[in-house]
Amino acid sequence: GAVVSQHPSWVICKSGTSVKIECRSLDFQATTMFWYRQFPKQSLMLMATSNEGSKATYEQGVEKDKFLINHASLTLSTLTVTSAHPEDSSFYICSARGLSEHEQYFGPGTRLTVT
Amino acid sequence: QKEVEQNSGPLSVPEGAIASLNCTYSDRVSQSFFWYRQYSGKSPELIMSIYSNGDKEDGRFTAQLNKASQYVSLLIRDSQPSDSATYLCAVTTGGSYIPTFGRGTSLIVHP
Repeated sequence: GAVVSQHPSWVICKSGTSVKIECRSLDFQATTMFWYRQFPKQSLMLMATSNEGSKATYEQGVEKDKFLINHASLTLSTLTVTSAHPEDSSFYICSARGLSEHEQYFGPGTRLTVT
Repeated sequence: QKEVEQNSGPLSVPEGAIASLNCTYSDRVSQSFFWYRQYSGKSPELIMSIYSNGDKEDGRFTAQLNKASQYVSLLIRDSQPSDSATYLCAVTTGGSYIPTFGRGTSLIVHP
């Protein structure tokens, strides 16, 4: 149990375009989902926390108008990187936590390359 | 500010040895503690969680929690080359349950 999927697993896009990443909890209802970014050989950086049906809470320094998060159902959250630039190239990872769970489970990640 | 500290390593151990990974945290009211394993280029995978003082064993893994000293450790017995990865310690405090992650310790198990 506790499987989280992400789609796509990798994406290459041109500078100035937008990219949407989907995160799904496959076998449980995720009341809370987290979005992280990780640059090579660096630690996880929490970008935002989203609860189903509520606006996401962004960490300091993360532009909410650039990284749009939607958590419309208990099994799906999306992250849209708008007007992507090469510096947005990174490994984006979502994780999900159920209502009665203390543990969070990570998706496999999406590697974004902006050219 | 909540902090979770880990030695970045690398920690190098021979195959078959016990690997000991340590983590300290600053928030005394922390309640939940987790160890994740992250292979290079992959996302983290939950391997252990511990909530009360003492030891918790799962196969070759043992998590140890000492709230008075504010540290949590992970022991890996009979280390295998496949255990080579970065191990992340995560700590949550009641209420928001938003975990704070350490920077991770790189473990290398050499044949």
